[in-house]
Amino acid sequence: DTGVSQDPRHKITKRGQNVTFRCDPISEHNRLYWYRQTLGQGPEFLTYFQNEAQLEKSRLLSDRFSAERPKGSFSTLEIQRTEQGDSAMYLCAVKQGRGELFFGEGSRLTVL
Amino acid sequence: GNSVTQMEGPVTLSEEAFLTINCTYTATGYPSLFWYVQYPGEGLQLLLKATKADDKGSNKGFEATYRKETTSFHLEKGSVQVSDSAVYFCALIPFAQGGSEKLVFGKGTKLTVNP
Repeated sequence: DTGVSQDPRHKITKRGQNVTFRCDPISEHNRLYWYRQTLGQGPEFLTYFQNEAQLEKSRLLSDRFSAERPKGSFSTLEIQRTEQGDSAMYLCAVKQGRGELFFGEGSRLTVL
Repeated sequence: GNSVTQMEGPVTLSEEAFLTINCTYTATGYPSLFWYVQYPGEGLQLLLKATKADDKGSNKGFEATYRKETTSFHLEKGSVQVSDSAVYFCALIPFAQGGSEKLVFGKGTKLTVNP
């Protein structure tokens, strides 16, 4: 069975604060992806993990962003010193097959 | 670079109408092509896919054919239902990507079907 739980579903924060999002797949998946989706746009790749190893990071992921998957199960995405441009939906997904990603419902970030 | 262009939305149809959502792509090599759907309040989910030229993907009455000569992957359904109301995303994975399988998405097309 496949499922991805993301928490929190919605986070409102002030500019300059740090935020952390968590992604919990309900079963084991080697590959875990983070995407970002802004209003009116499709999802954009941020980073992905093969087990606990972070294998690739997009240029969209500035130094203020860090992602971890310490035990190869859940993952966290932290944004430090948030900016208004960080406002977006942050999506976590696990791989089911070639090109087949199962997405969570996302964590919406609003930076005031 | 790799990119996907979808027709602008929103699209509003009456139930049982014919649906076409256009999608064209730019990619090096021979990409795999996908349609994802996002129903209200849910995460994106794979609708259908095609991995080589002339392949037809189909699911839930939706179809799309991989046309290499026109670099297109248009989504069609013969008779839409209210439950098909959602946002539809066309996407690709470039062929020689080294295993990361990063999807490149279009901007999405919102479909509303009225009873």
